[in-house]
Amino acid sequence: DTEVTQTPKHLVMGMTNKKSLKCEQHMGHRAMYWYKQKAKKPPELMFVYSYEKLSINESVPSRFSPECPNSSLLNLHLHALQPEDSALYLCASSQVGADTQYFGPGTRLTVL
Amino acid sequence: AQSVTQLGSHVSVSEGALVLLRCNYSSSVPPYLFWYVQYPNQGLQLLLKYTTGATLVKGINGFEAEFKKSETSFHLTKPSAHMSDAAEYFCAVISPGGKLIFGQGTELSVKP
Repeated sequence: DTEVTQTPKHLVMGMTNKKSLKCEQHMGHRAMYWYKQKAKKPPELMFVYSYEKLSINESVPSRFSPECPNSSLLNLHLHALQPEDSALYLCASSQVGADTQYFGPGTRLTVL
Repeated sequence: AQSVTQLGSHVSVSEGALVLLRCNYSSSVPPYLFWYVQYPNQGLQLLLKYTTGATLVKGINGFEAEFKKSETSFHLTKPSAHMSDAAEYFCAVISPGGKLIFGQGTELSVKP
């Protein structure tokens, strides 16, 4: 099973709202990733968790706050977002190191 | 440092025709290479990957790719295009630290 699930599928939020995106995998992977993807562009890496610890933060604004409660779950907490943050947010997982990443279906986020 | 160049942001073929999507890479270490496909409003699906061993790699949906070290290429081919192949295709290389480096993507259109 190579499935990564993400909820919700769509999210509309105002600039003052607080919301969270959720990602889950049951492949025993110990690395999990958040990507942001704008239309007609490749995904851009935001965060990497390795063994439930944040290992890479690609200079992402603090209005995005990741959390890895356990080895199967990854959250992205959103607060005070801007309209330019509207995008498809993708989660991925892999074995730790240079290994194949498996992506979830994404959350389409719209910030009004 | 690793990088990926996809030649052609948009490729159009007729149904039943050969599909050829070009990818060239730059890597200071033996590369791990990937092709992903993304259908509209969906996540990325792994088509195929090259790590070591046989240089001709077969993937899902009839796609294959050949790793040519002398040409630093990893072009994706399919003998006969189907309407359902219309999508965005991303070539990627993985860095030793596990970061996926994507090309800019190629949009494939299939004409009836």
